[in-house]
Amino acid sequence: AQTVTQSQPEMSVQEAETVTLSCTYDTSENNYYLFWYKQPPSRQMILVIRQEAYKQQNATENRFSVNFQKAAKSFSLKISDSQLGDTAMYFCAFSQIQGAQKLVFGQGTRLTINP
Amino acid sequence: GAVVSQHPSRVICKSGTSVKIECRSLDFQATTMFWYRQFPKQSLMLMATSNEGSKATYEQGVEKDKFLINHASLTLSTLTVTSAHPEDSSFYICSEGGGASHEQFFGPGTRLTVL
Repeated sequence: AQTVTQSQPEMSVQEAETVTLSCTYDTSENNYYLFWYKQPPSRQMILVIRQEAYKQQNATENRFSVNFQKAAKSFSLKISDSQLGDTAMYFCAFSQIQGAQKLVFGQGTRLTINP
Repeated sequence: GAVVSQHPSRVICKSGTSVKIECRSLDFQATTMFWYRQFPKQSLMLMATSNEGSKATYEQGVEKDKFLINHASLTLSTLTVTSAHPEDSSFYICSEGGGASHEQFFGPGTRLTVL
């Protein structure tokens, strides 16, 4: 079974700083998807970024980018020029390609951006 | 992306009663929906995969007779918590997913409180 681990329960940075959230996972699959989801205080889950394992190029979405290290099974999220609105819980998630497309989530990291 | 709604957003019930939560895909025909449970300050845990026109697939440890799932149409899945007890109090989230990209679109969640 796949597992996802986020080792940072909480992080806090100043506005405009860069912050990196860590995520590691365990799987025997070769192809899969990895995601970072954001859950603000409203509790609505929002997709931040997606990475396909067969793509070597790291995904980027505006201020959000990932460092995907397949051999190390690591998938960190970097937020540049952090904004107050980035304050939220961030969940790393794994989805296998074959079979049920269910998501396995990490424990989450509570990120606070301070003014 | 797809828009998913949930109803009700909050519900308070007495112990022993049953509660139905609806999950609707507003702009997409969803053959598969997922039901998650999130306890305070914890991650999302998949309860079951709801399949249109067939039986739901439950995760290990989830009682199928207690958490009844019906997916009778391509736009509606329901979760009924039968004979609810205080330990069933939680935040229940549904999602529609995942398509070719495996991205899931989440509903806003339902907070259940059992007295």
